[in-house]
Amino acid sequence: EADIYQTPRYLVIGTGKKITLECSQTMGHDKMYWYQQDPGMELHLIHYSYGVNSTEKGDLSSESTVSRIRTEHFPLTLESARPSHTSQYLCATSGSSRNTIYFGEGSWLTVV
Amino acid sequence: ELKVEQNPLFLSMQEGKNYTIYCNYSTTSDRLYWYRQDPGKSLESLFVLLSNGAVKQEGRLMASLDTKARLSTLHITAAVHDLSATYFCAVDANYGGSQGNLIFGKGTKLSVKP
Repeated sequence: EADIYQTPRYLVIGTGKKITLECSQTMGHDKMYWYQQDPGMELHLIHYSYGVNSTEKGDLSSESTVSRIRTEHFPLTLESARPSHTSQYLCATSGSSRNTIYFGEGSWLTVV
Repeated sequence: ELKVEQNPLFLSMQEGKNYTIYCNYSTTSDRLYWYRQDPGKSLESLFVLLSNGAVKQEGRLMASLDTKARLSTLHITAAVHDLSATYFCAVDANYGGSQGNLIFGKGTKLSVKP
């Protein structure tokens, strides 16, 4: 069982608000990822990190930003939320072997 | 650009029957993953396939990989209702690299009926 914690699990916010989705892991994994998933659809990688102070954009363009100041923490921020940001955001981690990529429970974001 | 295609996208089957889900991908990769997702939940790792000819089995599910054909299959044996879920295959986009960026298929929504 993977120890990945995402908060909040569910959030409804107004357009234009700033929101940070938190992701923490206790496994000491260097690699962390953020995926976006619309209901019933496939997942798309939006950000990833190989370690502290390393962040890269994924294949899906996103208006969000991330930071990696500590190994265990990989928050995702939307400076000004829009209805098009309504989606599920899944945080994931993997160790050096990449043999398993673990997913957190997800954060459901609704922007009204 | 790596593309991953699953079929079928929807599968309704009776309990006790067998069926196979197919996952094709377009470029070379050295890792293929199968995940299960229940409605409103996160992804549960089922299998990681690392080499040509790899076969893994867990309960009623068996996954295989043919890297030459760029094809993986997920075979369901004697389906039971508890297997109802959406199954995703995902391929690592960075062959030989270290990034672990996964490209997902659209998922196969499986419904097992009594």
